[in-house]
Amino acid sequence: NAGVMQNPRHLVRRRGQEARLRCSPMKGHSHVYWYRQLPEEGLKFMVYLQKENIIDESGMPKERFSAEFPKEGPSILRIQQVVRGDSAAYFCASSPGGEDTQYFGPGTRLTVL
Amino acid sequence: DAKTTQPTSMDCAEGRAANLPCNHSTISGNEYVYWYRQIHSQGPQYIIHGLKNNETNEMASLIITEDRKSSTLILPHATLRDTAVYYCIADSNRDDKIIFGKGTRLHILP
Repeated sequence: NAGVMQNPRHLVRRRGQEARLRCSPMKGHSHVYWYRQLPEEGLKFMVYLQKENIIDESGMPKERFSAEFPKEGPSILRIQQVVRGDSAAYFCASSPGGEDTQYFGPGTRLTVL
Repeated sequence: DAKTTQPTSMDCAEGRAANLPCNHSTISGNEYVYWYRQIHSQGPQYIIHGLKNNETNEMASLIITEDRKSSTLILPHATLRDTAVYYCIADSNRDDKIIFGKGTRLHILP
């Protein structure tokens, strides 16, 4: 039973480019969460999605960041026009729904040059 | 979600039991106590959770006081691979975000 998968594991972008981070939840899980961890800081919630719906995006920056979880395929966290301050580890978690145990992926480490 | 308080760091000798305390004096009746850990450069790992009763699984034991105002995570035979930041979280059982605090940085000493 594969766990939560994230790709790429490492992503390097230049300022102004777009970053796309993918998350495939565990089999049978329909709830996805994205968290960000800035260097030497704690994990911060960004967004919570169910299939085709954004449930809570209270942690998302107002500009340049968007997330989706389509009916088919992985969840995508998209960062447009990246800046150096976007450099961080981005973690995705999934849950089956109806309970709160979230299982995390290995993360994508984004570096903005 | 109730606030939790944990020591900033702890040391434990390899092979000994590691006991990590957590205070959650404002926890409400429907909030569970969850423990996660984050080994360096990895994603957080779920360890255990409980509501009122003590819980045990293959990774750890969770002891919750009768008044539910505090709890202890016990790693029975700590190994070097248990070196990590351990997070105690009080959360109701619903689909929602996890609010991570600063956690306890546990060092297992050889």
